[in-house]
Amino acid sequence: QSALTQPASVSGSPGQSITISCTGTYDDVGGYNYVSWYQHHPGKAPKLMIYEVTNRPSGVSNRFSGSKSGKTASLTISGLQAEDEADYFCSSYTSSSIWVFGGGTKVTVL
Amino acid sequence: QVQLQESGPGLVKPSQTLSLTCTVSGGSISGGYYYWTWIRQHPGKGLEWIGYIYHSGTTYYSPSLRSRLAMSVDTSKNQFSLNLSSVTAADTAIYYCARAYRGDWRFDPWGQGILVTVSS
Repeated sequence: QSALTQPASVSGSPGQSITISCTGTYDDVGGYNYVSWYQHHPGKAPKLMIYEVTNRPSGVSNRFSGSKSGKTASLTISGLQAEDEADYFCSSYTSSSIWVFGGGTKVTVL
Repeated sequence: QVQLQESGPGLVKPSQTLSLTCTVSGGSISGGYYYWTWIRQHPGKGLEWIGYIYHSGTTYYSPSLRSRLAMSVDTSKNQFSLNLSSVTAADTAIYYCARAYRGDWRFDPWGQGILVTVSS
């Protein structure tokens, strides 16, 4: 069982918006703004999409955005495209000075 | 553009030591405020942070693996390594290396991962 809880799957039609949640505790997600999101196509290197809850690295589409409320962080993908179909997982720094991850969410574009 | 690539045996016998190397290209392992990190993913499960090493050799390990873990860095080869001793089937996983940014703690970039199976 992963330390951070994510839905196993989320789906949407092209052009729609979807949101993936990442729920932890006040010892990780709720206590720090060091939440990151990664896109992962199996067999390839995970790709950073969001860091420090809301920051988007250079080169990442502005269709990806992050937010946080309490113990839950969220990744929103707007204007869903076929290329967005992948696994997404979250990460958070913790009060134990280690990092924890979510179990991953499979995004399907219908 | 910095790239990372894991290498090592894909099969390790129980009770032996798992040894992996991550080669950094496109940038110096000695530069900047980076922590060179290992992360693993057990089959069908979520990711687990293993630990990191700084270019000076300073390390920080997951408490759950600390007693079996050793990391090292070779700045002349732009590589860092992981040694996990006394492995069991529970150590079967995809092992990733990644660069962590001190300060905002993002992991970027990652290697594509290497599957290590522990089996006799």
